[in-house]
Amino acid sequence: DGGITQSPKYLFRKEGQNVTLSCEQNLNHDAMYWYRQDPGQGLRLIYYSQIVNDFQKGDIAEGYSVSREKKESFPLTVTSAQKNPTAFYLCASRRGRDEKLFFGSGTQLSVL
Amino acid sequence: GQSLEQPSEVTAVEGAIVQINCTYQTSGFYGLSWYQQHDGGAPTFLSYNALDGLEETGRFSSFLSRSDSYGYLLLQELQMKDSASYFCAVGVRGSTLGRLYFGRGTQLTVWP
Repeated sequence: DGGITQSPKYLFRKEGQNVTLSCEQNLNHDAMYWYRQDPGQGLRLIYYSQIVNDFQKGDIAEGYSVSREKKESFPLTVTSAQKNPTAFYLCASRRGRDEKLFFGSGTQLSVL
Repeated sequence: GQSLEQPSEVTAVEGAIVQINCTYQTSGFYGLSWYQQHDGGAPTFLSYNALDGLEETGRFSSFLSRSDSYGYLLLQELQMKDSASYFCAVGVRGSTLGRLYFGRGTQLTVWP
């Protein structure tokens, strides 16, 4: 079955540590997105990529970095510069010019 | 900037009908989407309205009035499994597709 796989489901970060969240899709979608969700908040866009080797900052990109070396993969690194990283992180993809986003099951990141 | 308002909570009983409203203020609006998210899970696409009027998909319908900057999601014949958070999201012209601005979500609780 096609879909988006995020791993790990839960992740803990120590002070000063960078951590990387994985996002893989086998839907053959060109566009991929990272959203952050805080309790009681809507989703906010961190980064997005329309094609391989290209990505753009979203609304809250500070303290995060991404890469898009393969169409299937769009990993997100939460750097030590992100002072409030505790949140639920959602990866999504979109097919062509369709309005529908497909989401992964998310990664809950917490700070030790 | 973009802003969306939706009620934080709605409760109803099984078999009932519930309407979740969404008002938005945005420049360059081009469409309103609705997503469902169960606790700790992936948001899933429910509907999309670009034009005024009602879109029906099974038990769920979505309505848009562009002149009023208003839309709603109508859920009929409520079932326990409909208990979830519901997010409205707007797409903005001039921005990349998939770059959605989300409301804070409405927590729907369905009682037996």
